[in-house]
Amino acid sequence: SQKIEQNSEALNIQEGKTATLTCNYTNYSPAYLQWYRQDPGRGPVFLLLIRENEKEKRKERLKVTFDTTLKQSLFHITASQPADSATYLCALEKDYNQGGKLIFGQGTELSVKP
Amino acid sequence: NAGVTQTPKFRVLKTGQSMTLLCAQDMNHEYMYWYRQDPGMGLRLIHYSVGEGTTAKGEVPDGYNVSRLKKQNFLLGLESAAPSQTSVYFCASSSITGVLIAGELFFGEGSRLTVL
Repeated sequence: SQKIEQNSEALNIQEGKTATLTCNYTNYSPAYLQWYRQDPGRGPVFLLLIRENEKEKRKERLKVTFDTTLKQSLFHITASQPADSATYLCALEKDYNQGGKLIFGQGTELSVKP
Repeated sequence: NAGVTQTPKFRVLKTGQSMTLLCAQDMNHEYMYWYRQDPGMGLRLIHYSVGEGTTAKGEVPDGYNVSRLKKQNFLLGLESAAPSQTSVYFCASSSITGVLIAGELFFGEGSRLTVL
């Protein structure tokens, strides 16, 4: 069956360090992958989209990689700040060309300590 | 621009009652979605719509119905609420950014539903 897995354990890091979150998937061949941020009591907010033919994408302190051979995406936040503390979700499209139907991982909670 | 607006934000129902959640978007997006979010389960797609007058089932459609009579609105109905439907419900919308790829999802702030 198709699965998207993110590390369910919370990630605790020190301010200024690089946070790395993992998203693994099985039995999918997604054309693209997205990352979202969710704060408590709020809806998810889009961060980055990476296509299957892109190995890496950057946006300010954020970097996403997409390895279709390993079936894995890594999400990095460099020079992390306490304000980066949130839950981060990865999402894959299911049924290519069927209305952009996104399936989400369960999310990884990141806590950045001062 | 309000983006995606969900009403109500909170609701408590008794088992067997019915209700409708309303989602409205002002971005002229073609696609709209209803997800539910439960602890440890992540976001699960209930139903979605690729345009006015069309709807389709997602991963967990049982016990829910939807309608999209107007492009800007997507309604989620519970005909006979059950405790298992206690959850936080999120509506989202997106536009087509390419021939085959939908763009980012814009989410509402969620509707917290408790079924007793």
